[in-house]
Amino acid sequence: DAKTTQPPSMDCAEGRAANLPCNHSTISGNEYVYWYRQIHSQGPQYIIHGLKNNETNEMASLIITEDRKSSTLILPHATLRDTAVYYCIVRGNYGGATNKLIFGTGTLLAVQP
Amino acid sequence: NAGVTQTPKFQVLKTGQSMTLQCAQDMNHNSMYWYRQDPGMGLRLIYYSASEGTTDKGEVPNGYNVSRLNKREFSLRLESAAPSQTSVYFCASRDTTGGRAGELFFGEGSRLTVL
Repeated sequence: DAKTTQPPSMDCAEGRAANLPCNHSTISGNEYVYWYRQIHSQGPQYIIHGLKNNETNEMASLIITEDRKSSTLILPHATLRDTAVYYCIVRGNYGGATNKLIFGTGTLLAVQP
Repeated sequence: NAGVTQTPKFQVLKTGQSMTLQCAQDMNHNSMYWYRQDPGMGLRLIYYSASEGTTDKGEVPNGYNVSRLNKREFSLRLESAAPSQTSVYFCASRDTTGGRAGELFFGEGSRLTVL
């Protein structure tokens, strides 16, 4: 699985958009980009995933660059409850060794009042 | 639906004791995972099971064994606990059948302290 690089921490003002970057320069063609977050020692929570098109759901938007070597998770209107560690993961399709998911250390997003 | 259920939620062991962490999911997922998380660290994969009857090592398998008992259950065993195994353990599952890129569902975690 491709490795990812994320900044260790970011701040964001409440009500503003939070843009969390992720570099995955070794991503291969069949690997998806996943985002999860973990709020204070709870189990991680799925946010969104994509392959090459931009994706949006009720929680966030995912922007993947055309060369797929980086992506940005956007929380459009951050609230204090969005304070969490955000993990970016890339992985291949199901089957064999590509089935495992490796989490890095993520980005600690601190939403400030 | 309960999702992913882990037991116990808290456990204190003495060095050298053994124990098994239990995990069960009711979502009919084929893949299951065990992670550990040390304070201030990200999650590290211990073992995973791509499907019933198969298991494989992750990043940090030493000192652990696993059993995929059936499709629902995936247990993690510490044969001789060491203080370095003090951590929070998370079980997760997901559906990877039919070409799906399934999302991971996590349990609430099991907090283990080894004295």
